Amino acid sequence: RKEVEQDPGPFNVPEGATVAFNCTYSNSASQSFFWYRQDCRKEPKLLMSVYSSGNEDGRFTAQLNRASQYISLLIRDSKLSDSATYLCVVKGSPGSSNTGKLIFGQGTTLQVKP
Amino acid sequence: DVKVTQSSRYLVKRTGEKVFLECVQDMDHENMFWYRQDPGLGLRLIYFSYDVKMKEKGDIPEGYSVSREKKERFSLILESASTNQTSMYLCASSRRLGAHEQYFGPGTRLTVT
Repeated sequence: RKEVEQDPGPFNVPEGATVAFNCTYSNSASQSFFWYRQDCRKEPKLLMSVYSSGNEDGRFTAQLNRASQYISLLIRDSKLSDSATYLCVVKGSPGSSNTGKLIFGQGTTLQVKP
Repeated sequence: DVKVTQSSRYLVKRTGEKVFLECVQDMDHENMFWYRQDPGLGLRLIYFSYDVKMKEKGDIPEGYSVSREKKERFSLILESASTNQTSMYLCASSRRLGAHEQYFGPGTRLTVT
């Protein structure tokens, strides 16, 4: 089983739609979670961290459900410029073979249409 | 702004050739990473380095080696390129090990024929 799993999509939505992506992780000891964004033919960049209480950055909301071991990203009022691949990232838990490393999901592709 | 640069955007090599991919960062970061990115598999860590002359294997080190002689430069070496090493190679750096923000270079699309 992969450590971090995402539905690859693609998700095709009209402008203005609300869209949500989920991501599951397998190591219950994981403590830190993030979303990265990767535009077509570009490098990944940090979008936002995911906090236990949930956090918002403009139209983007990230949530963490530790009991079910999943992370979500909600995008409201989608813009054409939101079209990208969204990577779910989990930091390797302390004491594990992945300590200090970032573990990337395969990414979910979003295409926002006019 | 952190800048991570990679020596080539596109590279075509023949099977059996020795290939060098170079990465340079300008922010005095301690840690540097090499990943490959393939459709359906996402980003996979090949090697990383947390200090000059130090290196650690990632998840898929077979067929690769690395060199870090200077803090700002991290090289990935394919000793004898094979067609299954055709991929997008991404270099990244971070301030310290365990930092959640890694800064990526633009990537090198390597094709081995």
